[in-house]
Amino acid sequence: QVQLVQSGAEVKKPGASVKISCKASGYIFTHYYIHWVRQAPGQGLEWLGIINPSGGLTTYTQRLEGRVTMTRDTSTRVVYMELSSLRSEDTAIYYCGRDRQEYDILTGLQYWGQGTLVTVAS
Amino acid sequence: QSALTQPPSVSGSPGQSITISCTGTGKDVGGYDFVSWYQHHPGKAPKLLIYEVSSRPSGVPNRFSGSRSAFTASLTISGLQADDEAEYYCCSHTNSRTPLFGGGTKLTVL
Repeated sequence: QVQLVQSGAEVKKPGASVKISCKASGYIFTHYYIHWVRQAPGQGLEWLGIINPSGGLTTYTQRLEGRVTMTRDTSTRVVYMELSSLRSEDTAIYYCGRDRQEYDILTGLQYWGQGTLVTVAS
Repeated sequence: QSALTQPPSVSGSPGQSITISCTGTGKDVGGYDFVSWYQHHPGKAPKLLIYEVSSRPSGVPNRFSGSRSAFTASLTISGLQADDEAEYYCCSHTNSRTPLFGGGTKLTVL
């Protein structure tokens, strides 16, 4: 069965960077794009970006452009999201998700990681 | 891009039906058939309820249905159950070729 397993919670100081992993199993890794979504406390879901595990091509939300980097390791079937210059407003639960279809368009995120809490505090 | 517009909260009694709206523009909800809906219980991962405006993934009860009229998509939940109490989000593809979520709607089952 399809599974996405994320790395554990992180606590970082403002200005630091954080790198979260999302390990995929149960399907052909290079066939499906992975999206990243976050939810800050008391806020809604926010789409952060997408990576093509096949070629590594990425698209990011303009809000984080320059601070976010998504990469993948096809040998270990892991996708990474790194966020730099952390601010208190980056405190959130970060999710990776896989679409139901093999497109770069979000048609429906049917599979999700369990979420990774990132806390940014001095 | 601002979030798609959803009512902050809706409520209903067990057995009743409720509808949650999601309003956008011709550049998103009204322009593409890639509108999806998610149920989100606190502490859990979101769950896909509806994709491509009105299709349901296998395993999602037919109590959940989706529709769209012009620039507004809707999620209807019939036969409300206590476990339906959660946050609900719409999401649409946009002409920027990136998806946009709604602000979320808190459903309270009275």
